[in-house]
Amino acid sequence: SQLAEENLWALSVHEGESVTVNCSYKTSITALQWYRQKSGEGPAQLILIRSNEREKRNGRLRATLDTSSQSSSLSITATRCEDTAVYFCATKRNNNAPRFGAGTKLSVKP
Amino acid sequence: EAAVTQSPRNKVAVTGGKVTLSCNQTNNHNNMYWYRQDTGHGLRLIHYSYGAGSTEKGDIPDGYKASRPSQENFSLILELATPSQTSVYFCASGGQGEVFFGKGTRLTVV
Repeated sequence: SQLAEENLWALSVHEGESVTVNCSYKTSITALQWYRQKSGEGPAQLILIRSNEREKRNGRLRATLDTSSQSSSLSITATRCEDTAVYFCATKRNNNAPRFGAGTKLSVKP
Repeated sequence: EAAVTQSPRNKVAVTGGKVTLSCNQTNNHNNMYWYRQDTGHGLRLIHYSYGAGSTEKGDIPDGYKASRPSQENFSLILELATPSQTSVYFCASGGQGEVFFGKGTRLTVV
């Protein structure tokens, strides 16, 4: 079952701009993870935000979590060409395996 | 450094043949996971494990078996491969909120 889904299939921005990827989910969670997957590579975890947290930062990345609306967002500031990738959210429930959305393809153009 | 190693990286198998995909982790994580990735579906969970000797069914287990003989190793077995199992397979290990993925195995069943 796909318990998480990103709200847009693809986004395109220019270098230096900010961008936000949104995610909604359908079940109770203990945490939500954001991943980035570059072409030809496995996904890499960016941020884990627990259900009792509202915001988490990691450098230029900022994740928010709203458990009442069952939604999350990942914002990237000052984007770079190397941010071009597919971004996934994944739900975590206790010690269960992460369940992934279909992903949002982000293109950052020079 | 955290590492998950998958082998082989590419595999061509014959319909009806047996395929074994191997995964090794040096992260000392209890949890390990097998996903497949197809265009438009994100990553779908096939099997996972909480530790040596344990295997659990994920969301799409039909046609797959898993084996966890040790903390470090987790295999995915296709007893009778079919063309519908052509995909990219990812192994991951997880624990303490972190998840690390391997580089993937591209399997083609002809």
